[in-house]
Amino acid sequence: AQSVAQPEDQVNVAEGNPLTVKCTYSVSGNPYLFWYVQYPNRGLQFLLKYITGDNLVKGSYGFEAEFNKSQTSFHLKKPSALVSDSALYFCAVRALDTGRRALTFGSGTRLQVQP
Amino acid sequence: SQTIHQWPATLVQPVGSPLSLECTVEGTSNPNLYWYRQAAGRGLQLLFYSVGIGQISSEVPQNLSASRPQDRQFILSSKKLLLSDSGFYLCAWSPITSTDTQYFGPGTRLTVL
Repeated sequence: AQSVAQPEDQVNVAEGNPLTVKCTYSVSGNPYLFWYVQYPNRGLQFLLKYITGDNLVKGSYGFEAEFNKSQTSFHLKKPSALVSDSALYFCAVRALDTGRRALTFGSGTRLQVQP
Repeated sequence: SQTIHQWPATLVQPVGSPLSLECTVEGTSNPNLYWYRQAAGRGLQLLFYSVGIGQISSEVPQNLSASRPQDRQFILSSKKLLLSDSGFYLCAWSPITSTDTQYFGPGTRLTVL
């Protein structure tokens, strides 16, 4: 079975400060890892993914994420937060080595960036 | 480019009434298709996924069903809605390549009264 944990329901950060949204995962075998963002009453938008290779992945809107295999983590980061980054963020995982193509999502973290 | 459509955008239905939500994808062939439900604006629950016409996998036993009558059409149905069926329903597609990034539609807000 695969699972994702996002330990923080909400993260508050001031505009211009760096932000981190945490994600840890559990999967048999090698993982595919994803981050999505959701704005109110909208579908999820893909931000970035880790498949293989460099542990630091860069994505849309200046976001990046670092894959840490030993800590089974995939934290989302941005050097300088914007008010417009305020949204709900989801981490997701899929096991590389299985035929099951569906993703397992975390419960989401609400990011609030204060001006 | 690929686009994914869902309709209706919002729906209010009485308990016990039927349901039909439709999802279509343009600009790709033989996509994997998914239905998710999001309750209370947080976690996503995978309901169904399909790897081809007529091929449906159910993740959670409940009074919902899914069908895929055409390659790029995915329908979520119910014969009798329950109050607990209220939520935000999201359709997604992914290419058949192994990386499987999923792309989501705009969602349908269902309220069962």
